[in-house]
Amino acid sequence: DIRMTQSPASLSASLGETVNIECLASEDIYSDLAWYQQKPGKSPQLLIYNANSLQNGVPSRFSGSGSGTQYSLKINSLQSEDVATYFCQQYNNYPRTFGGGTKLELK
Amino acid sequence: QVNLLQSGAALVKPGASVKLSCKASGYTFTDYYIHWVKQSHGKSLEWIGYINPNSGYTNYNEKFKSKATLTVDKSTNTAYMELSRLTSEDSATYYCPLTTVGYYFDYWGQGVMVTVSS
Repeated sequence: DIRMTQSPASLSASLGETVNIECLASEDIYSDLAWYQQKPGKSPQLLIYNANSLQNGVPSRFSGSGSGTQYSLKINSLQSEDVATYFCQQYNNYPRTFGGGTKLELK
Repeated sequence: QVNLLQSGAALVKPGASVKLSCKASGYTFTDYYIHWVKQSHGKSLEWIGYINPNSGYTNYNEKFKSKATLTVDKSTNTAYMELSRLTSEDSATYYCPLTTVGYYFDYWGQGVMVTVSS
């Protein structure tokens, strides 16, 4: 199975700040990577797919980058509604696997 | 618009089975694969498997092969996941997401919480 290692596990940032979340795959996943946002009590929502493509309706302050085994999610100008847990997920191979999550809080 | 409506929360006894449902609407049911994902409380997400509603073909995560059984009812546009021989380790929230355009999960059900307790 492909192991997805996300960092940091938790993060505290101020409004307007830029935030970066990293995701490391145990092998090359050829940009078959998605990022999801999950708010408390809600189901995950797709933010980014194919490592850097923004899902329809997602604010442009979210962006994704990376290739090979290393990927990152960037949130520019943090807003209060961005408080959530973020997960990366690979879909290059079965079984599909997720990172452990990054819990983002406001400072 | 695509909607996935999952059944309500379940409280089940250890050793029993439970069948969860995921009713799809807003698209042609047989067009997209339906997946199932487990989220234990406060933890990450685990992919259980998927079913092709058109053919009934299933693909399971090896970890869940003896635990979960995926089926569909095309007459009601509903996907099901039966979990057997339940233990406390099966207490979790279960989601049914879709893959439509690509291989990523672009639509999700609201989730159903399963609690295994005597």
